[in-house]
Amino acid sequence: KNQVEQSPQSLIILEGKNCTLQCNYTVSPFSNLRWYKQDTGRGPVSLTIMTFSENTKSNGRYTATLDADTKQSSLHITASQLSDSASYICVVSAAGTALIFGKGTTLSVSS
Amino acid sequence: GAVVSQHPSRVICKSGTSVKIECRSLDFQATTMFWYRQFPKKSLMLMATSNEGSKATYEQGVEKDKFLINHASLTLSTLTVTSAHPEDSSFYICSARDVRGAGGEQFFGPGTRLTVL
Repeated sequence: KNQVEQSPQSLIILEGKNCTLQCNYTVSPFSNLRWYKQDTGRGPVSLTIMTFSENTKSNGRYTATLDADTKQSSLHITASQLSDSASYICVVSAAGTALIFGKGTTLSVSS
Repeated sequence: GAVVSQHPSRVICKSGTSVKIECRSLDFQATTMFWYRQFPKKSLMLMATSNEGSKATYEQGVEKDKFLINHASLTLSTLTVTSAHPEDSSFYICSARDVRGAGGEQFFGPGTRLTVL
């Protein structure tokens, strides 16, 4: 069964600190993996998208990694800001099928 | 990046009425659009896949007669919630696939908050 699991479910950090969010998936055949940021009451916004051959991709303070062998991905946020408070969703695309969504990690950045 | 809009952003209606939600791709053509619903603190759940000029494909458990989808052009898809009831209250999000992008990147709209009284 195609599944995407994220951890932790929620996370609270102080402004300026770094954090790493995890995503494990069992999706086959794998097409690509995406990280989205979803603010409360808004639609998801794409942060990164990685294909099988890509190990890391950065978007400003966000850096995603992908290990296709272990089927794991991480999203690292550097020097967190209050505006980083949101839900971060890992989404895996299986070739020829719909997107498979993780349940997300809720990040709260406090001052 | 590509922009997808939704209208309205929020709507409150009485039980038994019908509500139409529009999803537009503003700067690209989308042969395929997707409709999701999301309950509080839950993941997005795909409701249906809408292809321009053809009937939508609904996910298991989604009533096609209750959630009418029309994809009349390459930039517009509509979702009509017919005879809405309080249990239909949810956050509805559309996405559009830009066929020009690598892997057919999907871009999400800002969502529509539906509250049925």
